[in-house]
Amino acid sequence: DAKTTQPPSMDCAEGRAANLPCNHSTISGNEYVYWYRQIHSQGPQYIIHGLKNNETNEMASLIITEDRKSSTLILPHATLRDTAVYYCIVRAYSGNTPLVFGKGTRLSVIA
Amino acid sequence: DSGVTQTPKHLITATGQRVTLRCSPRSGDLSVYWYQQSLDQGLQFLIQYYNGEERAKGNILERFSAQQFPDLHSELNLSSLELGDSALYFCASSVAGQAGGYTFGSGTRLTVV
Repeated sequence: DAKTTQPPSMDCAEGRAANLPCNHSTISGNEYVYWYRQIHSQGPQYIIHGLKNNETNEMASLIITEDRKSSTLILPHATLRDTAVYYCIVRAYSGNTPLVFGKGTRLSVIA
Repeated sequence: DSGVTQTPKHLITATGQRVTLRCSPRSGDLSVYWYQQSLDQGLQFLIQYYNGEERAKGNILERFSAQQFPDLHSELNLSSLELGDSALYFCASSVAGQAGGYTFGSGTRLTVV
């Protein structure tokens, strides 16, 4: 079952903020929101995750709505190297729960 | 370098053959995960091991098997290969019991001819 909904593709101008939305309306209380990206055919790369508070690291910010039914990944100053497929995944906090990838959003950063 | 090592990087083999893909997890990680990525299927979870024991199974065919050894490296065995098995195979590792992310290797590209 698809737990998240993402737009199939987005464009962003280089140097501008890229805001990638994700809907997860059926998220459970113990499920985290994870974001990964895959550049071309490289291995997926972990970006950030959160439970209910907004999170920021050196790569991105994650904004989760108060009802936790949606979130937005923000790349503050997108570069051409940020062109990739971005995956939003919800996953329970459990060592036995694998990450299940959907189709993601293909972000194209344009010069 | 992510710390997860996969070998070989490329593999070309004929239908009906058997191959073994190898993965060395990041130092300290006890969990290993295998994923298959083909053009039309996206990233598909195959199987998870934790400290030598199978923990979760996904869409893994009966022709495929895996194991994790005492030194924590893992092998994915693919047998009776078919053209449709051509794909990228990724291994990932994590510290089980924490909510953190996975670290993926750079993958093995398998081509079955």
